[in-house]
Amino acid sequence: NAGVTQTPKFQVLKTGQSMTLQCAQDMNHNSMYWYRQDPGMGLRLIYYSASEGTTDKGEVPNGYNVSRLNKREFSLRLESAAPSQTSVYFCASSMTGPIYFGEGSWLTVV
Amino acid sequence: GENVEQHPSTLSVQEGDSAVIKCTYSDSASNYFPWYKQELGKRPQLIIDIRSNVGEKKDQRIAVTLNKTAKHFSLHITETQPEDSAVYFCAASKVPFGNEKLTFGTGTRLTIIP
Repeated sequence: NAGVTQTPKFQVLKTGQSMTLQCAQDMNHNSMYWYRQDPGMGLRLIYYSASEGTTDKGEVPNGYNVSRLNKREFSLRLESAAPSQTSVYFCASSMTGPIYFGEGSWLTVV
Repeated sequence: GENVEQHPSTLSVQEGDSAVIKCTYSDSASNYFPWYKQELGKRPQLIIDIRSNVGEKKDQRIAVTLNKTAKHFSLHITETQPEDSAVYFCAASKVPFGNEKLTFGTGTRLTIIP
C-alpha cells in the first residue's frame, strides 16, 4: 500500500517548456488535489477533483491544467513553464476527512 | 469561502515546555479541523484532527481544542522534544468533502531549544 505516489521527484525545466506531473493513489479515495508550496510559504491549492470525471480550480490555477484520468490518477500539466512556477508540488487525496500527501515534486524553471 | 488565520508564525520554546498554536476560521459550517506537521524537505503529515461534535481530543503529548462559538481551535504540545521542531499547519473544511476543499492556515514554525 504505497499511498500517494508522485513522479518525477525532481525536474529542471527551461522557460517555455512543458511537462506533466503524475500522481496516483491506491487508497480508493474519491478526491484528489494538487498544491504548490513556495519556499517558506504555506500550501496553495492549484486544482482539485472531487470525484472521477470532475475537476475544479483552486486558489492559483493560472498556467496549469489537470486531468483526472481515472479514480486513481490525477495529473498536472504545465503548458509553458515560467520561473514563477518554481516550487514544490504536492499531490494529495482524501475520502471523508484527512487528506494524505505524496512526497512532493521539486520543480525548478530556469 | 473559508478563511483560516494561524498564529503565531514562529514560536520558540525550551525543551520540556509546552507549545500552543492557535487558529481561527470564518465559516461556521466548517466541521472538520486537522493539524499537519511538516519537517524540512518532507511532506505534510496529519498529526491529529477533530470534528465539530467534539470539544477536545488528545493523543499522547498532543491535544487539540475546539471552540465552535468563537470559531477557533488550538494545538497543544506538552513536554516538547527536539523532534517536535517543524512547521505546523492547521486547516478547516466541511465533511464529507464533496466539492468542499481543505483550507490551510499559513503555518507556524516551531523551534525547540535544547
